[in-house]
Amino acid sequence: DVKVTQSSRYLVKRTGEKVFLECVQDMDHENMFWYRQDPGLGLRLIYFSYDVKMKEKGDIPEGYSVSREKKERFSLILESASTNQTSMYLCASNPGSSASGANVLTFGAGSRLTVL
Amino acid sequence: GQNIDQPTEMTATEGAIVQINCTYQTSGFNGLFWYQQHAGEAPTFLSYNVLDGLEEKGRFSSFLSRSKGYSYLLLKELQMKDSASYLCAVRGGDYKLSFGAGTTVTVRA
Repeated sequence: DVKVTQSSRYLVKRTGEKVFLECVQDMDHENMFWYRQDPGLGLRLIYFSYDVKMKEKGDIPEGYSVSREKKERFSLILESASTNQTSMYLCASNPGSSASGANVLTFGAGSRLTVL
Repeated sequence: GQNIDQPTEMTATEGAIVQINCTYQTSGFNGLFWYQQHAGEAPTFLSYNVLDGLEEKGRFSSFLSRSKGYSYLLLKELQMKDSASYLCAVRGGDYKLSFGAGTTVTVRA
């Protein structure tokens, strides 16, 4: 079964700490995405990547950065965590521009981050 | 930007039918998706509409009217396992996917 795996399901960090959220996909997908999900706001796109070492800002990139050194791995970095970054973070991937049709996103199970 | 609206909550009885509406205003349009998300789990793909009309997949159907900026997801013969959040998402002219806030459906016995 195809998978998007997020390494940490639950994290608790302190304000100011550096946080790494890791995501790995085994589908050889070109595109990878990071969303955050908050009640009443839905999923909001933070960053995405359409190729190794490429990244694009989404709708809410402030306070975040990303890294894509290998095709299968996309990391989200919070340089200095703040309490307003407490959220559920979802990683996703899809085949990319070479795919026809729906080009469906496949999601990971999520990483729930609490910043104290 | 994109504006996607769907009801916050709906409740229905086991065996019944529920229709979840989604209206959208987007810059360009390249498809509308419905995802299901059980509590604590990843969203999973349900349906995709890019042309007007009804797409049927077993107990679930999705409808699209591009001229009205409107879609609905129809869930028939409701089962307890259908209790979940249902997310409407629109791919705009820039090919980015924007999500509504989700509709929580509760199925009661």
